Amino acid sequence: DADVTQTPRNRITKTGKRIMLECSQTKGHDRMYWYRQDPGLGLRLIYYSFDVKDINKGEISDGYSVSRQAQAKFSLSLESAIPNQTALYFCATSSGTWVPHDEQFFGPGTRLTVL
Amino acid sequence: ILNVEQSPQSLHVQEGDSTNFTCSFPSSNFYALHWYRWETAKSPEALFVMTLNGDEKKKGRISATLNTKEGYSYLYIKGSQPEDSATYLCAFKNSSYKLIFGSGTRLLVRP
Repeated sequence: DADVTQTPRNRITKTGKRIMLECSQTKGHDRMYWYRQDPGLGLRLIYYSFDVKDINKGEISDGYSVSRQAQAKFSLSLESAIPNQTALYFCATSSGTWVPHDEQFFGPGTRLTVL
Repeated sequence: ILNVEQSPQSLHVQEGDSTNFTCSFPSSNFYALHWYRWETAKSPEALFVMTLNGDEKKKGRISATLNTKEGYSYLYIKGSQPEDSATYLCAFKNSSYKLIFGSGTRLLVRP
């Protein structure tokens, strides 16, 4: 079974709709992250959380919000989706121990299309 | 703005060829350099994490070197195989503890 799972894997929606992407992990990690990937660009950090009560904005947080419901769950919401939020979204986790080596483990990605 | 640049953007090689690509990153406030391998339709997976200037890491036919003073890392693949086809991502970590990713090098190995 995958350690980091994302649902849905694919989603097509319309402009203005509210969308929630979910991430769950069984690795027991405290740290969780949401990234988006666009063609020709690297992974860009949207939000991250270092524990259940901690939420931090990343590089491109405008238009997004998150919720850390439990250590194992981190959800990303698009309150009113717009076409330029069409992208591949990745969730990742890390243990937070020995920070320089803090390897991130990625989910399989959610491909979101906003029409 | 912190830039992490990878070159080339894409690379086509023949099976058996050796190849290498580059990751450039800021040389100041360096904590770590991560390499990830991302196959299409799969999750990116960590290959190496390097923290010290002069570090060299090896995993099978893949190896990486690190120069923190000049801000670059090389990834080498010896005797490329079709299963090496993937996008190779590097990511720089500074004191913010966040990873800043390059746009990747897409490698295609032809049989």
